[in-house]
Amino acid sequence: SYELTQPPSVSVAPGETATLTCGGDDLHSKSVHWYQQKPGQAPVLVVYDDKDRPSGIPERFSGSNSGNTATLTIGGVAAGDEADYYCQVWDLGADPVVFGGGTKLTVL
Amino acid sequence: QVQLGQSGAEVKKPGASVKVSCTASGYSFSSYDLHWVRQAPGQRLEWMGWLNPNTGNTGYAQKFQGRVTMTKNTSTRTVYMELSSLSFDDTAVYYCARAYGAAAFDYWGQGTLVTVSS
Repeated sequence: SYELTQPPSVSVAPGETATLTCGGDDLHSKSVHWYQQKPGQAPVLVVYDDKDRPSGIPERFSGSNSGNTATLTIGGVAAGDEADYYCQVWDLGADPVVFGGGTKLTVL
Repeated sequence: QVQLGQSGAEVKKPGASVKVSCTASGYSFSSYDLHWVRQAPGQRLEWMGWLNPNTGNTGYAQKFQGRVTMTKNTSTRTVYMELSSLSFDDTAVYYCARAYGAAAFDYWGQGTLVTVSS
């Protein structure tokens, strides 16, 4: 079955840019979605179809997808961005919905 | 506004079954697939399956085949997820989520904690 790989943790200073990656075979051929999940809360969609933002998501959140790696970039990171971030795709395999293992973003 | 409201927390014994509900409001119920995703304590999100509210068609993750059943009640705009033969490993928060486009989950329920305990 298809697999998505995310680094377990990323740390960034306030005001800096956080770069979160998601790896998978031929990932560029799939639509990648990103979710933010804070403790005790349901996930929130922050980027869909590689680079589009749902209504209400700040422009600081941007996405890209090329080759085998998709990237979520968060500009001007603030304490409120501290959360787990998951990437997700729809695959044509037996289990069509695949999540990455998640990356814990820590704001120093 | 779009809302997915889930049923309350459950405590079950090993071997029992649990049925969690998800009631949709604020949009055309039949127009979007609803999926179930669970999250064990401290673990990643895990996809369980989907249901098409228009046709009733379902698809389940291989891991849960034979143990999960997803159904709907169109008149109450509610979908259900029933998981049988529960084990301690099934302790998790269970979420329903609406799928948009290429299965981007744009709205989520608040989650239902299912605890399996003897």
